Amino acid sequence: NAGVTQTPKFQVLKTGQSMTLQCAQDMNHEYMSWYRQDPGMGLRLIHYSVGAGITDQGEVPNGYNVSRSTTEDFPLRLLSAAPSQTSVYFCASSYSPKFQETQYFGPGTRLLVL
Amino acid sequence: GQNIDQPTEMTATEGAIVQINCTYQTSGFNGLFWYQQHAGEAPTFLSYNVLDGLEEKGRFSSFLSRSKGYSYLLLKELQMKDSASYLCAALNSGGYQKVTFGTGTKLQVIP
Repeated sequence: NAGVTQTPKFQVLKTGQSMTLQCAQDMNHEYMSWYRQDPGMGLRLIHYSVGAGITDQGEVPNGYNVSRSTTEDFPLRLLSAAPSQTSVYFCASSYSPKFQETQYFGPGTRLLVL
Repeated sequence: GQNIDQPTEMTATEGAIVQINCTYQTSGFNGLFWYQQHAGEAPTFLSYNVLDGLEEKGRFSSFLSRSKGYSYLLLKELQMKDSASYLCAALNSGGYQKVTFGTGTKLQVIP
């Protein structure tokens, strides 16, 4: 199993550009989520999904869109990048939101918006 | 909402024992996670407590008191490779379950 994979690892964008951060897992996990991590702020939940076709907002959803068309994939879209979105983005998955168990994190995407 | 507090930084000596505290104020609390995160890497799971008491896993132990809104992570026989950030996170059962993270405690282990 590859676990949770994320692409790209690094990205530089100009203000106003759009892009999609990819996340995939091969563990047949129902629950997937996106976090951003900023110095002094900890991990903050952006969006999450409890299964294919079901998504919901987290703590900091503005400026981001998600969709979950398959169990495996959970892309995060930045519609019009802003410098405030410079961050490290982590995707995570777990077997089910109904069961209290660990989330597995991807390696992260480091995004710089100029 | 949820509020999670943990110290920003700690320093400890190789071979020693260190305790990292975490306090939380949450609605719909369901349990508490501890994650380890080395610089530039993803968080990795250490422990999960849902009941009061101490859970031991090798050199690492985690404690939870639900009535006090308090948890700690205990690291014994510290090794240099234990230098990392330790993230406390609460599982909220309101609606779909969501995990809220604290800001993390950066532990430096010195010789």
